Amino acid sequence: DQQVKQNSPSLSVQEGRISILNCDYTNSMFDYFLWYKKYPAEGPTFLISISSIKDKNEDGRFTVFLNKSAKHLSLHIVPSQPGDSAVYFCAASDWGSNYKLTFGKGTLLTVNP
Amino acid sequence: NAGVTQTPKFQVLKTGQSMTLQCAQDMNHNSMYWYRQDPGMGLRLIYYSASEGTTDKGEVPNGYNVSRLNKREFSLRLESAAPSQTSVYFCASSERGAQAFFGQGTRLTVV
Repeated sequence: DQQVKQNSPSLSVQEGRISILNCDYTNSMFDYFLWYKKYPAEGPTFLISISSIKDKNEDGRFTVFLNKSAKHLSLHIVPSQPGDSAVYFCAASDWGSNYKLTFGKGTLLTVNP
Repeated sequence: NAGVTQTPKFQVLKTGQSMTLQCAQDMNHNSMYWYRQDPGMGLRLIYYSASEGTTDKGEVPNGYNVSRLNKREFSLRLESAAPSQTSVYFCASSERGAQAFFGQGTRLTVV
């Protein structure tokens, strides 16, 4: 049973436009959500996070939105740049499981010049 | 600041051979993790350790063992490698409720 789902394996956008990556979760106990970015042959790197007590967190070009009632979160990248091309993983955790991270399958974002 | 260091970076094993993947972190984190990444499968948790002296199974623990040697080190052992264990392995560490930091990965091929 997949607890964190990223239903879009890939997304292609034009440089300068908005990229929206989506993530759904099924475990209502999750209370901390993160986005990671991964380039080929490198380890994932942390991008942005959000606690369940918030519905939005912003860091520069990156904004994460959380809709708890829908068990849905999204990552907005504005404006998108070619260097943003990577695989993006959504992850979630909760205090009951010692905050171990559960990841989605990832979305490959391609930003075209 | 090294962060999370994994060794080796690449390894080829024959079916049935054993090996240990090493991981060390210098951030004084309590929690450490081993994940595997396979095409189309994302990052799947093999084992994790919430603190020194404790380990717990993750989503795909079969065929693996772990040792939390001390607070810094968390090793992953394959006792009898199988082709299904061909994957990229990532070690990570974190404090509870905070972001995890990942190593560069170990690309393992079992032939």
